Amino acid sequence: EAGVAQSPRYKIIEKRQSVAFWCNPISGHATLYWYQQILGQGPKLLIQFQNNGVVDDSQLPKDRFSAERLKGVDSTLKIQPAKLEDSAVYLCASSLVLAGVTEQFFGPGTRLTVL
Amino acid sequence: AQTVTQSQPEMSVQEAETVTLSCTYDTSENNYYLFWYKQPPSRQMILVIRQEAYKQQNATENRFSVNFQKAAKSFSLKISDSQLGDTAMYFCAFSTNNAGNMLTFGGGTRLMVKP
Repeated sequence: EAGVAQSPRYKIIEKRQSVAFWCNPISGHATLYWYQQILGQGPKLLIQFQNNGVVDDSQLPKDRFSAERLKGVDSTLKIQPAKLEDSAVYLCASSLVLAGVTEQFFGPGTRLTVL
Repeated sequence: AQTVTQSQPEMSVQEAETVTLSCTYDTSENNYYLFWYKQPPSRQMILVIRQEAYKQQNATENRFSVNFQKAAKSFSLKISDSQLGDTAMYFCAFSTNNAGNMLTFGGGTRLMVKP
């Protein structure tokens, strides 16, 4: 079974530039999550999708971050414009169902450096 | 809001010995789920063990076991017969159906297994 795929793995941009990250979840997984992991901290949820609908985006900085999952499969997370404090690893995860004990499977992450 | 605290930023253990990682959490929910995730250096996060709060029996997975103290809101991870491959960041995490299965992570404990 293929795991969660993310690209790119690394990205370096200047502040005020735009960047987009792509995630392909495990086949059949209805729930998809984007987490931000700042160096030395635990991951923090940015947005959660159930199929192509948003379940929770309360911690997404909507003035600069946006995310979509148009066909209920792949997802894209965009930052426009980027700030220095956006430097972090962006993790995508997916799970089969929306249930508390269900395991979330994580991708390798995209490491973003904003200069 | 739920919070998860890991009070040990770094720990080390000799190969073949036992180590316990601490985690405390705060919640007003009665039904919830607790997890330990492992994040090896430059590799993706994987689930180590999970515990449903309504189960009194502590979860075990091979060399990994938990000590779940619901009244004290404590959820520690014991690793027996530590192996070099156990070297990683370990994150304690919490979820509840009322929050759509989103994971709230602690700050992590960096574990180094020494030969």
